[in-house]
Amino acid sequence: GQNIDQPTEMTATEGAIVQINCTYQTSGFNGLFWYQQHAGEAPTFLSYNVLDGLEEKGRFSSFLSRSKGYSYLLLKELQMKDSASYLCAVPPLGGGNKLTFGTGTQLKVEL
Amino acid sequence: DTEVTQTPKHLVMGMTNKKSLKCEQHMGHRAMYWYKQKAKKPPELMFVYSYEKLSINESVPSRFSPECPNSSLLNLHLHALQPEDSALYLCASSQGQTGGSVYGYTFGSGTRLTVV
Repeated sequence: GQNIDQPTEMTATEGAIVQINCTYQTSGFNGLFWYQQHAGEAPTFLSYNVLDGLEEKGRFSSFLSRSKGYSYLLLKELQMKDSASYLCAVPPLGGGNKLTFGTGTQLKVEL
Repeated sequence: DTEVTQTPKHLVMGMTNKKSLKCEQHMGHRAMYWYKQKAKKPPELMFVYSYEKLSINESVPSRFSPECPNSSLLNLHLHALQPEDSALYLCASSQGQTGGSVYGYTFGSGTRLTVV
């Protein structure tokens, strides 16, 4: 089975940096996704990590440590529009079609 | 076309009604999904279709009936729903094997369903 944990809520200030953590316990590992979801809208793809290390993509970066079962999403130069839910998700070992989502972290960006 | 289109965007139905949710994609994706999402919760998988065949049913009650008429379309037929079935219903598609696709899923914007 798969168990994925994230903090429920976080608050940060506009212009600041915030790190959203995700820990997972899976029977195998086949990569980890991060999605962003604004209220009432569809989740949108942010990143996919399958190897250890940091992947940077503009203001957003994602880090993975397979040995620790740990990932984080780093958001820099926060903007009000970054207020959203951030979901980490893992696919099953060996591929397959069942993507399991973490509980999601609701990020609120304040002035 | 890089979108998954869902209709309707909002639906209110009575417990005795029959209605259908529709989902369409033209990206050539061969796997399509229905997820249910309650407020402030992550999406929960309901059904997976792979190459137009039902491959996963997550023990969903029979009042929800999926259908995949062709590789671009996915329907969810609703009958005799309960108020607790009110939620955002998300459709998604992927190229096939999720692990082999760096982009994972593409989601539709969802249907907000209210059962009264």
